Amino acid sequence: SQQGEEDPQALSIQEGENATMNCSYKTSINNLQWYRQNSGRGLVHLILIRSNEREKHSGRLRVTLDTSKKSSSLLITASRAADTASYFCATALNTNAGKSTFGDGTTLTVKP
Amino acid sequence: GAVVSQHPSRVICKSGTSVKIECRSLDFQATTMFWYRQFPKQSLMLMATSNEGSKATYEQGVEKDKFLINHASLTLSTLTVTSAHPEDSSFYICSARPRGRGVEAFFGQGTRLTVV
Repeated sequence: SQQGEEDPQALSIQEGENATMNCSYKTSINNLQWYRQNSGRGLVHLILIRSNEREKHSGRLRVTLDTSKKSSSLLITASRAADTASYFCATALNTNAGKSTFGDGTTLTVKP
Repeated sequence: GAVVSQHPSRVICKSGTSVKIECRSLDFQATTMFWYRQFPKQSLMLMATSNEGSKATYEQGVEKDKFLINHASLTLSTLTVTSAHPEDSSFYICSARPRGRGVEAFFGQGTRLTVV
């Protein structure tokens, strides 16, 4: 398994529902970031959560981090069709000075 | 703040030619920049770490003579894909770490390279 695995690989929901994506990792981290990528486009930074934080909010986004379980979750509430994208977690390790290791991503489809 | 700009956003080149991609930190100095590659429907894979004023550190399996990295200043790193082949077609994305701000890194918008 690689650092930064996500599940589910694909998620399809109806508009208005909540979407939860999970990310697991194996080694100690300095921070974990969540990104969105629309098809064929660049990365959009969503949230960074540091290893000493447990939860962060940004608008309809809620990120949790459980360092004891080495896992993080991204919750998107009241989803919209525009939320359709791939979502990646990326971990920055303590010893790697900013180098991020990406998970395989979750493809979210929000049906109108 | 912390804006990273990549140029070009899209490039099409002929097989055998070289292509240069620029990564600029617009409002901060970056001692370290990272180059990633993403194949369709896959995740981002780190290619190399670029340090200002020194040689880049390449990840295992990445050919340093094919993917030339130059980090000549604190705001610019370039990736040159030499003698490009169709299998080099990919999405290339850089990130930059602001000097003095710990391990946070900020990503550019990526470059879509198509080799025909």
